[in-house]
Amino acid sequence: GEDVEQSLFLSVREGDSSVINCTYTDSSSTYLYWYKQEPGAGLQLLTYIFSNMDMKQDQRLTVLLNKKDKHLSLRIADTQTGDSAIYFCAENPGGYQKVTFGTGTKLQVIP
Amino acid sequence: DADVTQTPRNRITKTGKRIMLECSQTKGHDRMYWYRQDPGLGLRLIYYSFDVKDINKGEISDGYSVSRQAQAKFSLSLESAIPNQTALYFCATSETSGRFTDTQYFGPGTRLTVL
Repeated sequence: GEDVEQSLFLSVREGDSSVINCTYTDSSSTYLYWYKQEPGAGLQLLTYIFSNMDMKQDQRLTVLLNKKDKHLSLRIADTQTGDSAIYFCAENPGGYQKVTFGTGTKLQVIP
Repeated sequence: DADVTQTPRNRITKTGKRIMLECSQTKGHDRMYWYRQDPGLGLRLIYYSFDVKDINKGEISDGYSVSRQAQAKFSLSLESAIPNQTALYFCATSETSGRFTDTQYFGPGTRLTVL
């Protein structure tokens, strides 16, 4: 089957913006998520967007959703060293279908 | 206190040994999941349970079994561990209904090494 795809690695300088991209598979997905995994820890829900939205902003985080292209992005403004982590996107088709996670993007923030 | 806990946090074992990983939650969620994480492969679903009487295989269930002892407890067993089961294992829970149905909440993970 198709996978939820992400690039594996992103490196940015502290203070710059980071943009992490994701291509998902199910056009009927009702929720799309971004999770953050810090070293040695589990996944923490960072933010989410409903499928009837194009954009959601939450402090330094901006989520953009392009349903036509099935593309989801996470922009982190003023990236800090504490933002270094692996970021996973996930899609939720709803009902009894399981949530599918992307492969994860490792964000490295260079001081 | 953490809402989703996993024991042990780290385990080293030998090929052929039986291993049980345990997960407990205090979130009151009906749905529970076991995933494994491997570098570059993201999270892959092993088993999931939508309630105490419901167990379903995920995409990589071979070599694993599960038991849902109660709403709050979901354990994962490796009957005869092999080296390619070396990975980070995560338990997760989710709600059955409401606005955040199936939004998943993760435990801290268990790092398993099979020698």
